[in-house]
Amino acid sequence: AAGVIQSPRHLIKEKRETATLKCYPIPRHDTVYWYQQGPGQDPQFLISFYEKMQSDKGSIPDRFSAQQFSDYHSELNMSSLELGDSALYFCASKEAGGATDTQYFGPGTRLTVL
Amino acid sequence: AQKITQTQPGMFVQEKEAVTLDCTYDTSDQSYGLFWYKQPSSGEMIFLIYQGSYDEQNATEGRYSLNFQKARKSANLVISASQLGDSAMYFCVPLGSARQLTFGSGTQLTVLP
Repeated sequence: AAGVIQSPRHLIKEKRETATLKCYPIPRHDTVYWYQQGPGQDPQFLISFYEKMQSDKGSIPDRFSAQQFSDYHSELNMSSLELGDSALYFCASKEAGGATDTQYFGPGTRLTVL
Repeated sequence: AQKITQTQPGMFVQEKEAVTLDCTYDTSDQSYGLFWYKQPSSGEMIFLIYQGSYDEQNATEGRYSLNFQKARKSANLVISASQLGDSAMYFCVPLGSARQLTFGSGTQLTVLP
């Protein structure tokens, strides 16, 4: 079965640089969630989209922005990167109207800021 | 909002034995859901099982089953016949009203050969 695809899988950036993470949800899934998991920490919800509109916002820094495109893929844009942004970034997708609201996670993008 | 408590930061189990990972929750919602996710050391987050508050039967999925006791507000995960590949962090995760997932500290399970 198709899974959530995230690219790149690994990314190394310098402080103050920008980064763009991409997420391709499971086919027919129209809701996307972004989570950030710092080293040794629990995943934290950042932002979500439903039908290309932002549906909810969590602890996402103002330096970050995201959007969902017409093909339902989503991109997380991160600017002025800081050392503390080093983390595993997950994208999860869900089928609206599904029986259980189950979110299926991608493999994550591991961002390292030097 | 739901609050989840996983009281076992670390658990050990012998290969081929069963293990129960505890999860208690606190909610005032009448309708709610609980997920269990597994995160091995490689980092991916894997959906295991879901329990809805109105589900009449305990959820089961292969070697995973939920011991759901609504009156006690507990949704313990039972893994039967543990395998070395079951070694991972396990998260009991409530479904928030805004539909995002709120992760707690989880339980680190180690399966011993």
